[in-house]
Amino acid sequence: AQTVTQSQPEMSVQEAETVTLSCTYDTSESDYYLFWYKQPPSRQMILVIRQEAYKQQNATENRFSVNFQKAAKSFSLKISDSQLGDAAMYFCAYTRDSNYQLIWGAGTKLIIKP
Amino acid sequence: ETGVTQTPRHLVMGMTNKKSLKCEQHLGHNAMYWYKQSAKKPLELMFVYNFKEQTENNSVPSRFSPECPNSSHLFLHLHTLQPEDSALYLCASSQEKLAGFPDTQYFGPGTRLTVL
Repeated sequence: AQTVTQSQPEMSVQEAETVTLSCTYDTSESDYYLFWYKQPPSRQMILVIRQEAYKQQNATENRFSVNFQKAAKSFSLKISDSQLGDAAMYFCAYTRDSNYQLIWGAGTKLIIKP
Repeated sequence: ETGVTQTPRHLVMGMTNKKSLKCEQHLGHNAMYWYKQSAKKPLELMFVYNFKEQTENNSVPSRFSPECPNSSHLFLHLHTLQPEDSALYLCASSQEKLAGFPDTQYFGPGTRLTVL
């Protein structure tokens, strides 16, 4: 069965520093998409970044970047220059094909210390 | 309104009540989803609609009844719920890409449901 594991229930980082959130997944597929979503206390789930498995280049969105290791089935999220507004639950998710089903991790709560 | 909207934002109901959750997307997408989010558990996909046709039903109890009258609106009708159904219910939408591979899902703010 496909699974997504986020091994860090909670992480904290000092404002302006860098933090990395880990995610591993299990699949036998070769073509799939990976996502990081952010859910702040307001509850709105917001896409942070996405990665196509066939692309070797790691995706980047401003201060957010991923380290995608396909062979290791690892998809970590790096947040640089952490800001107070980055405080949220971060969810890693994976979708494998056209059945529209996203497989979700349990989430990592990120705390930003001022 | 922009993006994905959900009403109501909060709902408290008794076990014998009937209520409905509403979702509307203003993004021109053709796929819509209902998720259940419980504390400390991964999101659970409940239903998927693509072009108004239900394509996924993840063994959801019949006390949850979805309705998708068009590509922009999605409802979740609730009746005789149980206290364990208390959760955050999230709606999402996406655009199907070429070759049937779904695109990024965009979420609404959710409805916090409490069943007494």
